[in-house]
Amino acid sequence: NAGVTQTPKFQVLKTGQSMTLQCAQDMNHNSMYWYRQDPGMGLRLIYYSASEGTTDKGEVPNGYNVSRLNKREFSLRLESAAPSQTSVYFCASRPDRIGQPQHFGDGTRLSIL
Amino acid sequence: AQTVTQSQPEMSVQEAETVTLSCTYDTSESDYYLFWYKQPPSRQMILVIRQEAYKQQNATENRFSVNFQKAAKSFSLKISDSQLGDAAMYFCAYRRGGGGADGLTFGKGTHLIIQP
Repeated sequence: NAGVTQTPKFQVLKTGQSMTLQCAQDMNHNSMYWYRQDPGMGLRLIYYSASEGTTDKGEVPNGYNVSRLNKREFSLRLESAAPSQTSVYFCASRPDRIGQPQHFGDGTRLSIL
Repeated sequence: AQTVTQSQPEMSVQEAETVTLSCTYDTSESDYYLFWYKQPPSRQMILVIRQEAYKQQNATENRFSVNFQKAAKSFSLKISDSQLGDAAMYFCAYRRGGGGADGLTFGKGTHLIIQP
């Protein structure tokens, strides 16, 4: 049972390059999320998706775009990477039943030089 | 906007002792959920325990229990009989109630050190 799978696990980019982080879940969840985690900080919500074809901004959406093309997959795109986007990125999904916890992927460590 | 505050950046405890991690939150909602997540050096986010705000009874999961004080907006985590494997970052998180897809609001975390 894979749960939430994120690819890649590590990536180094140069400033200005573009990159898409992939996330897929096999638990048939409707809700999916992207967070970033910076040193000394908790996770902060970038974007979320309540269902296929819908997305909403979270706390820190600037500089990112997302796509929810189907129920399983939710991708995060950096169009022109900046050093301030160096972070660890987590994808998560959540069962529909109210109050259920989110299930997290293992994270992607992204460094932008 | 909701905020979650963890006032202890780091805590240290002897193996087999009990430790309590603090968390306070600010919200105007009456229906919400609170969670504690553990993040070991492997970077995984592991659910430790959750609490529904409408429940007065404190949640318990084996050696982990919470002290939920709704009026004080406090949600502390007690770890009994601490083990070396408990060493990790611990994050308190809040989610608004209802059927929406809202994400979690996290505190900055507490680094728990277990002394052998």
